[in-house]
Amino acid sequence: LAKTTQPISMDSYEGQEVNITCSHNNIATNDYITWYQQFPSQGPRFIIQGYKTKVTNEVASLFIPADRKSSTLSLPRVSLSDTAVYYCLVGDHRIKAAGNKLTFGGGTRVLVKP
Amino acid sequence: DAGVIQSPRHEVTEMGQEVTLRCKPISGHNSLFWYRQTMMRGLELLIYFNNNVPIDDSGMPEDRFSAKMPNASFSTLKIQPSEPRDSAVYFCASSPLVGGGGTGELFFGEGSRLTVL
Repeated sequence: LAKTTQPISMDSYEGQEVNITCSHNNIATNDYITWYQQFPSQGPRFIIQGYKTKVTNEVASLFIPADRKSSTLSLPRVSLSDTAVYYCLVGDHRIKAAGNKLTFGGGTRVLVKP
Repeated sequence: DAGVIQSPRHEVTEMGQEVTLRCKPISGHNSLFWYRQTMMRGLELLIYFNNNVPIDDSGMPEDRFSAKMPNASFSTLKIQPSEPRDSAVYFCASSPLVGGGGTGELFFGEGSRLTVL
């Protein structure tokens, strides 16, 4: 399984864009990149998933360079409610048997200040 | 849909007691995961099931931990005997077995906070 490295924490201010980069140098050909968000006292929640280039949904954008050895989650115009821990996961979620282990790393604690 | 339902939400027990945590996955989901979260170790995958069959339990800490999934709508995680170091938030998550363009998204319950005194 590809190991991921993320910054431990980041501070931002309301209205700013937050970019969190995840390194995954040994990503495999079939691996996808998935990001989750976790608020205090809640379970993680799926944000976005991508394989290459750029993916955008109503919550975030995910940028993946051609070599796929890293990815960047972009949160546009954050608000106080975006304060959370953000996790980057790398793996092939399509594997239906052994090997489909979704392992969370340490995550990035994002604090949005007024 | 009601989402993944876990019980109890909070449990305080004494060392040596048996603890049973319960999970009801989302109807139609074929995969079920048990995670443990602590400040020191973060989110750890303990075990996961596909179609009620345990696929990988290599994350289970030791023999004191056991998990079962007797049917598609229910799973338990049991700790016997419990120890203070088992204190953590235990999350259950479910996911559909992925085909086509599915994302394999995990749907988490609200967790069971366990305190072992």
